[in-house]
Amino acid sequence: EVQLVQSGAEVKQSGESLRISCKGSGYTFTNYWIAWVRQIPGKGLDWMGVIYPGDSDTTYSPSFQGQVTISADKSISTAYLQWSGLKASDSAIYYCARRHYTSGGSFFDYWGQGTLVTVSS
Amino acid sequence: DIQMDQSPSSLSASVGDRVTISCRASQDIGTYLNWYQQKPGKAPNLLIYAASSLQSGVPSRFSGGGSGTDFTLTITSLQPEDFATYYCQQSYSSPRTFGQGTKVEIK
Repeated sequence: EVQLVQSGAEVKQSGESLRISCKGSGYTFTNYWIAWVRQIPGKGLDWMGVIYPGDSDTTYSPSFQGQVTISADKSISTAYLQWSGLKASDSAIYYCARRHYTSGGSFFDYWGQGTLVTVSS
Repeated sequence: DIQMDQSPSSLSASVGDRVTISCRASQDIGTYLNWYQQKPGKAPNLLIYAASSLQSGVPSRFSGGGSGTDFTLTITSLQPEDFATYYCQQSYSSPRTFGQGTKVEIK
């Protein structure tokens, strides 16, 4: 069974650093891109970026480029999303999702349960 | 970035109703369009990919259509478990943007 299990909720102060994780199981982790998606409570979904764990090739949305770092450790089938200086505006739920490719395009077929990040100023 | 615009932003419907949600892309994206359902407190769930392909395990009352810039998600005979928020997403180019969502509420 394919699963993406994310790390638990975090409460941080503005300016602190943070890394949250997403561990894949039930499939070959290095064969699928992993994306990160932000959701501010009560709002929509924002595509942040993707990483290919096989070679750590990464693409960021321009909106998030320079604001976060996406990485992966294929030896433990885990992807990461990290901040070096959190802001209150980073408070949100963050989802990881597996990207599946077909001839008709790509889509997110499995999602993590989400990690709630709360940043107080 | 490709902008995705959904309409309506919310709707009220009754069990058994036929519901149609629209999604318009700011440029031609062919059929590189996906639909997701999200229930409160849960991660999104894939319903439709490539504009009209039903994801495995998704009930056949869900269907997708369209190409180019205009797309639809149709739910025939709305069921109690279908009350949720629905998002379209383009997979034509990065960033893979989502629509703002359509909340389907009980009338």
